[in-house]
Amino acid sequence: EIVLTQSPGTLSLSPGERATLSCRASQSVSSTYLVWYQQKPGQAPRLLIYGASSRATGIPDRFSGSGSGTDFTLTISRLEPEDVAVYYCQQYVGSPRGLTFGGGTKVEIK
Amino acid sequence: EVQLVESGGGSVPPGGSLRLSCAASGFSFSTYSLNWVRQAPGKGLEWVSHITGSSATTFYADSVRGRFTISRDNAKNSLYLQMNGLRAEDTAVYYCARDLGDSYALDYWGQGALVTVSS
Repeated sequence: EIVLTQSPGTLSLSPGERATLSCRASQSVSSTYLVWYQQKPGQAPRLLIYGASSRATGIPDRFSGSGSGTDFTLTISRLEPEDVAVYYCQQYVGSPRGLTFGGGTKVEIK
Repeated sequence: EVQLVESGGGSVPPGGSLRLSCAASGFSFSTYSLNWVRQAPGKGLEWVSHITGSSATTFYADSVRGRFTISRDNAKNSLYLQMNGLRAEDTAVYYCARDLGDSYALDYWGQGALVTVSS
């Protein structure tokens, strides 16, 4: 069973700072199926990154994804107040097990 | 504009049943795979089930396999989740979400339907 572990649990930064969020898989996974979402309070999740590094439609270029194997990173280059949210990574682990999510990283503004 | 609208949520006692629906519009419904994802109060996201466009393939999380059934009606542009044998731990907001394509990325989500399992 593939487990995705996200760190840190909470990230508190000032506006304009760089945010680095980690997603670590318990075994090597395909970067084709590594996805990142943003979820703001009271809202449904929003697709940010798919295929580990491709930005979804309408996503600002301050969001970027990278990584391979077991280690993946979501970077927010210059944090803005509207980026306050919980960020989740997700991986397709094959049929019949389907999809698995990481536990999330909460990003706060100092 | 792509829209997904869930309905059918509510309160049900343990052991009970509920059927969620998701009405889709703004895209060619039958050509996309769809999923159900849930979120317990104050918790993270948990994938529940997936169905391909033709309904040929379905799969389920271990936590719901044998109790929940995903289905779709392409003529009605609708997705369903039949939930039987409900447990307290099934209490959550249930989202329907569209698959972007081969990457299994979920690009559009509904607003969610709350299911509460309590006596």
